[in-house]
Amino acid sequence: QQPVQSPQAVILREGEDAVINCSSSKALYSVHWYRQKHGEAPVFLMILLKGGEQKGHDKISASFNEKKQQSSLYLTASQLSYSGTYFCGTGGEWGAQKLVFGQGTRLTINP
Amino acid sequence: NAGVTQTPKFQVLKTGQSMTLQCAQDMNHNSMYWYRQDPGMGLRLIYYSASEGTTDKGEVPNGYNVSRLNKREFSLRLESAAPSQTSVYFCASRIDRDTEAFFGQGTRLTVV
Repeated sequence: QQPVQSPQAVILREGEDAVINCSSSKALYSVHWYRQKHGEAPVFLMILLKGGEQKGHDKISASFNEKKQQSSLYLTASQLSYSGTYFCGTGGEWGAQKLVFGQGTRLTINP
Repeated sequence: NAGVTQTPKFQVLKTGQSMTLQCAQDMNHNSMYWYRQDPGMGLRLIYYSASEGTTDKGEVPNGYNVSRLNKREFSLRLESAAPSQTSVYFCASRIDRDTEAFFGQGTRLTVV
């Protein structure tokens, strides 16, 4: 079952912050985040493993709460290059190689 | 190092025709995946292969078959194409469960 992302779309001005949420009805072991530019393949941003750790990547960070089966992606002081569609991916139960993605969140950054 | 290579990049099929989408990776990855991407639906998993010699159904396997030919190659076959299979198909691979997945550039398939 696909994780659910919210919001479906966000429009920001350059320099503003955004939060994208990802939730699952199943217990999670890990959460992946990817970004896809129009007409291109998805590109990896980060993985968060069970333990509630927060990771960072430039001005993009994420948290993972396995008890709530939720993850959030934080984009701080957004840049034009952050525009694209963001996907969270979940690996499901322990040991599983399955990787399913949410429906995506389209982020538009305007000057 | 080519990464994940998909062929063809574009294809137009008539309803009822069959075809095979090819995917090859040169990173010695164990797991490989096929996804389809439709507007508003995100990336939906069709089939995956956790390791050479194994394949498993994903979320939307109906109308598709797969073959993990060897560690490098994972093909997706449409036996009798339908307009509902018009989509962009992505192949991905990764070393193991807790590692990043690398995607191919996609195959844009239109069934008329």
